Amino acid sequence: EAGVTQFPSHSVIEKGQTVTLRCDPISGHDNLYWYRRVMGKEIKFLLHFVKESKQDESGMPNNRFLAERTGGTYSTLKVQPAELEDSGVYFCASSQGTGRPYFGPGTRLTVT
Amino acid sequence: SQQGEEDPQALSIQEGENATMNCSYKTSINNLQWYRQNSGRGLVHLILIRSNEREKHSGRLRVTLDTSKKSSSLLITASRAADTASYFCATYNTNAGKSTFGDGTTLTVKP
Repeated sequence: EAGVTQFPSHSVIEKGQTVTLRCDPISGHDNLYWYRRVMGKEIKFLLHFVKESKQDESGMPNNRFLAERTGGTYSTLKVQPAELEDSGVYFCASSQGTGRPYFGPGTRLTVT
Repeated sequence: SQQGEEDPQALSIQEGENATMNCSYKTSINNLQWYRQNSGRGLVHLILIRSNEREKHSGRLRVTLDTSKKSSSLLITASRAADTASYFCATYNTNAGKSTFGDGTTLTVKP
């Protein structure tokens, strides 16, 4: 069974530019989560999709972040415009029902 | 303060020694998981312990859970330099529908 995949693995962009991160969950997993760890701090929840619907987006830091999950399959997280403080590792996870989440390898974002 | 607080925040030991990390949380949980993150890389799932379990082992890892104290501990025995990483506990609650991570413990194992 393929795991959660994320693309790209590493992205380096300049402040003010736009970046789109992609997450492909495990096939059949309705739940999809985005988390991030910035500046070596704690891992913070960003949002939770159930299929294509946003179940909880209480962790989204501001309106520069936009997450979508069209068709309830893969998800994208767009940062526009990127700021220096957005640098960190962005994790995606998926789960089925109340099962444990399976995390992807993460996307390391560096904003210069 | 945040749910899922790890203690200590940083731990430095010699190879071969044991490392113990603790995690406290505030709300009821369905399960608790421990993860490892090597510098700037992905999360590796180490072990999951359910709320009705008290202890679990996996290789050199031993996890305990005390739901009355809302705390968990992760013990790594006979540590290796390759164990150097950040370790996080994450609690899952069905009502919340998501995992909540603690602040993490940065473990350094010196060769």
